[in-house]
Amino acid sequence: EAGVTQSPTHLIKTRGQQATLRCSPISGHTSVYWYQQALGLGLQFLLWYDEGEERNRGNFPPRFSGRQFPNYSSELNVNALELEDSALYLCASSPVEIRTVPGTDTQYFGPGTRLTVL
Amino acid sequence: TQLLEQSPQFLSIQEGENLTVYCNSSSVFSSLQWYRQEPGEGPVLLVTVVTGGEVKKLKRLTFQFGDARKDSSLHITAAQPGDTGLYLCAGHGLINQFYFGTGTSLTVIP
Repeated sequence: EAGVTQSPTHLIKTRGQQATLRCSPISGHTSVYWYQQALGLGLQFLLWYDEGEERNRGNFPPRFSGRQFPNYSSELNVNALELEDSALYLCASSPVEIRTVPGTDTQYFGPGTRLTVL
Repeated sequence: TQLLEQSPQFLSIQEGENLTVYCNSSSVFSSLQWYRQEPGEGPVLLVTVVTGGEVKKLKRLTFQFGDARKDSSLHITAAQPGDTGLYLCAGHGLINQFYFGTGTSLTVIP
């Protein structure tokens, strides 16, 4: 079974540009999560999509947005890039939307996209 | 503001030594997960603990969830170089959101 895939592996942009990152979940998983992992800050939750809808977002400005397609793949868009947006962006997928039984759900992570803003 | 604080942030030990990593919060979580992340890869789930006071063992790794479900610990016995990596705890909160800890970077020296 193929794992979560992300593209591109590396992305270099300049300040003010836009970046688009892509994620393909594990087959059968309907939920996709996006995280930002900046150096020394751990993982910060960005967005959660399920069944094509945004279900929750973290404490990030509106220039961070995304969408989920009918095949459950997802795209993260970052507009008006700033230097501090440089980070590893991780995508994770999981098979259930509502966790009625705590601890039964698992997030499976992709290898990430390393975004560098110059 | 980080909801989950991990300590220590960095740890460098000799092969064969024991170590404990802590994950603390003032919030209650329905479950808590531990991940290990290696350079260039995404985090990989090690364990999920659900019940307060729960202890789970994974070979040389022992995970404990605090009685009040606010904290957790990871103990590694006889550490090996293959244990080297970034250890992350994550609390499962409301609205299907996971809150990750600050991470503990472990280096095991042969």
